[in-house]
Amino acid sequence: DAGVIQSPRHEVTEMGQEVTLRCKPISGHDYLFWYRQTMMRGLELLIYFNNNVPIDDSGMPEDRFSAKMPNASFSTLKIQPSEPRDSAVYFCASSSQGFALAKNIQYFGAGTRLSVL
Amino acid sequence: AQKITQTQPGMFVQEKEAVTLDCTYDTSDQSYGLFWYKQPSSGEMIFLIYQGSYDEQNATEGRYSLNFQKARKSANLVISASQLGDSAMYFCAMREAGANSKLTFGKGITLSVRP
Repeated sequence: DAGVIQSPRHEVTEMGQEVTLRCKPISGHDYLFWYRQTMMRGLELLIYFNNNVPIDDSGMPEDRFSAKMPNASFSTLKIQPSEPRDSAVYFCASSSQGFALAKNIQYFGAGTRLSVL
Repeated sequence: AQKITQTQPGMFVQEKEAVTLDCTYDTSDQSYGLFWYKQPSSGEMIFLIYQGSYDEQNATEGRYSLNFQKARKSANLVISASQLGDSAMYFCAMREAGANSKLTFGKGITLSVRP
């Protein structure tokens, strides 16, 4: 079975440009998460969706960040305009178990390494 | 508030030997789950093992086992018969039960396996 698929794996862009990261969750999973990993702050949850609906976006750093999930098999995280401090690894994860349960195993994609020059 | 502590500096282990990676956590909830993930140099995050707070037995998955000591709030990962491919960053994470609970990660431990 295919895991969580993210694209691109690497993205290099210049400050001010729009960046779009893409994610395909595991088929049948109804929760999707976007995380950001940096050396300083570790792994941070940005936003998560349940059945394509955004549930908690309190981790989104600012209005330059937006996320959408138009259908059950696709999500995007967009940064516009991008800044050098956005440089990080962005992960998408998905899960299927009931989110109210402690045992809600999240399966991660390979990540997108973003560099904003 | 949840908190995960991984304080070991970089760890080294000889190939084929066992190694323990430490993790302590802090929560006032009774129902919670503990997770370990592996992040090799290629960057992906790989789920390894899960332990529930009500599980009476320590979780095991192949060469991975979780030494769960609830009273001490520790959830150490034991890797038996280390292999070169085990060299990676290892993250401990915790999630309390509840619809609004987030998965909180520790800062990770780097493991290097020597041939």
